[in-house]
Amino acid sequence: DVKVTQSSRYLVKRTGEKVFLECVQDMDHENMFWYRQDPGLGLRLIYFSYDVKMKEKGDIPEGYSVSREKKERFSLILESASTNQTSMYLCASTLLVATDTQYFGPGTRLTVL
Amino acid sequence: KQEVTQIPAALSVPEGENLVLNCSFTDSAIYNLQWFRQDPGKGLTSLLLIQSSQREQTSGRLNASLDKSSGRSTLYIAASQPGDSATYLCAVCGGADGLTFGKGTHLIIQP
Repeated sequence: DVKVTQSSRYLVKRTGEKVFLECVQDMDHENMFWYRQDPGLGLRLIYFSYDVKMKEKGDIPEGYSVSREKKERFSLILESASTNQTSMYLCASTLLVATDTQYFGPGTRLTVL
Repeated sequence: KQEVTQIPAALSVPEGENLVLNCSFTDSAIYNLQWFRQDPGKGLTSLLLIQSSQREQTSGRLNASLDKSSGRSTLYIAASQPGDSATYLCAVCGGADGLTFGKGTHLIIQP
């Protein structure tokens, strides 16, 4: 079974802090994604990566950056956390975007105070 | 820009009923359509994936159909059970940038 893990289930940070969210998948997937989920807005794509060291902006990249130094690991970075980044963050991976399902991690509930 | 709409936003039915969840999308140029289930506070679990060339997929009590030309999909759940209570999300894949999601249907099955 594919397993996608995220470093924390719950995280509380202060405004202005630098925040790292880690995602690891164990199925040698090429493609990895970061989404945020908010009530009334649904899931929105922040960044994605189709290979090591490659990254592409999604629909809402402002205030975020990403890092993919190894194939299995995709990190989301909040350079200076703000209260409007309080959200549920979900990581996903897939082998082939056009034909395969995305496998999701359990999510990280981030609260920025 | 692709938009995905799910109707109804919420649904409550007695156990044992058959039910249909609806999904529509604005751009028919898709690779596939996927249905997911999300339990409260959890990640998403894949239920069914329909490729753009397919008309339907089945898994157990679940059947999903796709009419790409009209931009519609339905998820049919037969003989509903309390354990089916969850939020069901429809998502379409239009390219390398992954999925565009609807806002979901919150389903409650009353025992």
